Amino acid sequence: DAKTTQPPSMDCAEGRAANLPCNHSTISGNEYVYWYRQIHSQGPQYIIHGLKNNETNEMASLIITEDRKSSTLILPHATLRDTAVYYCIVRAGDTGTASKLTFGTGTRLQVTL
Amino acid sequence: DTAVSQTPKYLVTQMGNDKSIKCEQNLGHDTMYWYKQDSKKFLKIMFSYNNKELIINETVPNRFSPKSPDKAHLNLHINSLELGDSAVYFCASSQGWGGRGNSPLHFGNGTRLTVT
Repeated sequence: DAKTTQPPSMDCAEGRAANLPCNHSTISGNEYVYWYRQIHSQGPQYIIHGLKNNETNEMASLIITEDRKSSTLILPHATLRDTAVYYCIVRAGDTGTASKLTFGTGTRLQVTL
Repeated sequence: DTAVSQTPKYLVTQMGNDKSIKCEQNLGHDTMYWYKQDSKKFLKIMFSYNNKELIINETVPNRFSPKSPDKAHLNLHINSLELGDSAVYFCASSQGWGGRGNSPLHFGNGTRLTVT
């Protein structure tokens, strides 16, 4: 699976949009971009994923650049409960490797009042 | 309505003991996993089972033995516990393991194992 690079930490004021970047310059054509987050003392929580197109769900939006070498997770109105470590993961879609979700160090997002 | 549940939440034991961690999912998924999160917070996959069959074993010591009695359960038994086994162990499940890679994993809240 392709490697990802994320800033170690970010701050965001409550109510503002949190934009979390991720670089995955070695991504290959069949690899999806996944985002998970881990709130303190809990298990990782799935947020969103995409292949080429931008995606939006009730939690967040995922913007993938046209060359697919980077992406941004957007939390439109961050709240204190969004304080967590956010993991960007690139995961192959072919049989046999799809299960190996490999977590890096992630971005620690601190939402403040 | 917990989706993936693990027991116990905390486990403190001495070196050399044998212990088990249980995991159950009620999502109807056919694939289950065990992940280990060490003190540096790195999450690493240990095992994956699909329809009760082992499909991933990431060079985990054979003191660790997963058992899947059915699709909804994946237990982890650890023999002869060592200090280095201290970590948080997460169970997860997903629908399918191959295919197009678009089956998100759902994680439990972890079991914190402390070996003294």
